[in-house]
Amino acid sequence: KNQVEQSPQSLIILEGKNCTLQCNYTVSPFSNLRWYKQDTGRGPVSLTIMTFSENTKSNGRYTATLDADTKQSSLHITASQLSDSASYICVVSARAGANNLFFGTGTRLTVIP
Amino acid sequence: NAGVMQNPRHLVRRRGQEARLRCSPMKGHSHVYWYRQLPEEGLKFMVYLQKENIIDESGMPKERFSAEFPKEGPSILRIQQVVRGDSAAYFCASSPQGYSNQPQHFGDGTRLSIL
Repeated sequence: KNQVEQSPQSLIILEGKNCTLQCNYTVSPFSNLRWYKQDTGRGPVSLTIMTFSENTKSNGRYTATLDADTKQSSLHITASQLSDSASYICVVSARAGANNLFFGTGTRLTVIP
Repeated sequence: NAGVMQNPRHLVRRRGQEARLRCSPMKGHSHVYWYRQLPEEGLKFMVYLQKENIIDESGMPKERFSAEFPKEGPSILRIQQVVRGDSAAYFCASSPQGYSNQPQHFGDGTRLSIL
């Protein structure tokens, strides 16, 4: 069964600290993995997208890693800011079909001053 | 604003009424996707449309739900005879092409509440 699991479910960190969010998936065949940021009351916004051959991709203070062998990905946030408070969603795409996206339930990150 | 536009942002309906949710994709995008998000759950795919065509509706409930994307105008997600369980956030996304390596751009959703 194609599944995407994220951990932790929620996380609270102090402003300025780093954190790492995890995503494990069983989606096959694999096409790509995306991380989205979803602010409360808003739609998801794409942070990174990685294909099978990419191990890491950065977008400012966000760095995503991918291990396609172990089917794991992580999203590392450096020097967190209050505006980083949001849900971070891992989305895995299966080959064959544009609609074959599998969404994790997200990690709810709260950054406190 | 060149992003995906959804309206209304909030919609309240009584049980048995109809709900119509609209989505205007980004300029130049001809592929539209609808998702439903229940509280504390991930987004669930509902339907994928191109102009005037439904490509995949495997995530749509068999009854009461329908979607269209006419040649002119926004995509419409229609829910007839709404029930309490239809209360959710409904998100629309669009992409320029229908390939899985294309990023999808999301609207801010319509929050549907059923009284």
